[in-house]
Amino acid sequence: EVHLVESGGGLVQPGGSLKLSCAASGFTFSAAAMHWVRQASGKGLEWVGRIRGKANNYATAYAASVKGRFTISRDDSKSLAYLDMNSLKSEDTAVYYCTTLVDFWGQGTPVTVSS
Amino acid sequence: SYELTQPPSVSVSPGQTARITCSGDELPKQYVYWYQQKPGQAPVVLICKDTERPSGIPERFSGSSSGTIVTLTISGVQAEDEADYYCQSADSSGIYRVFGGGTKLTVL
Repeated sequence: EVHLVESGGGLVQPGGSLKLSCAASGFTFSAAAMHWVRQASGKGLEWVGRIRGKANNYATAYAASVKGRFTISRDDSKSLAYLDMNSLKSEDTAVYYCTTLVDFWGQGTPVTVSS
Repeated sequence: SYELTQPPSVSVSPGQTARITCSGDELPKQYVYWYQQKPGQAPVVLICKDTERPSGIPERFSGSSSGTIVTLTISGVQAEDEADYYCQSADSSGIYRVFGGGTKLTVL
């Protein structure tokens, strides 16, 4: 059975940093491109970015709204993906999902940016 | 930046057919995926690559494409289909993914 479990969410002050983790199991993690998608309360889905696998040189891509502030990484030996968030703004407040997009989604972890 | 446009809401009576559209300039060249999201839950894919229905998805869900508009059709709508629906595709480079704004389906 496939599992994607996000962790690391919480309350952070504007300008602060937070690192989310995504633990994967039940599929060939090393071959999968891993995406992060967020959803503000009552709003739609927003693609944040993705990291491809070793075969594609771990290439990353980011939405314009987070580029330069967020970094996605992965540790294939541990089947973990990460979302490192810096210079956080109130508009980054959302539930953050780890996902392969088409096949598997986690249940999300909430991030609140507020003073 | 590239955008996908969906109607904010669609309403239908049980047993009727619901059609939800998604428009974007790159849709003739990039595949579209449709997701269903119910309150408090993660999205679930309904349609892949414009028209393909994954195993386990009821046959009443179907997808079609015509130029810059793709359509999710739900035939014989049931009360349990009340949810938010999102289309997702990519920009011209194929690198940057984008979601439509979402459509709330109300079953009257």
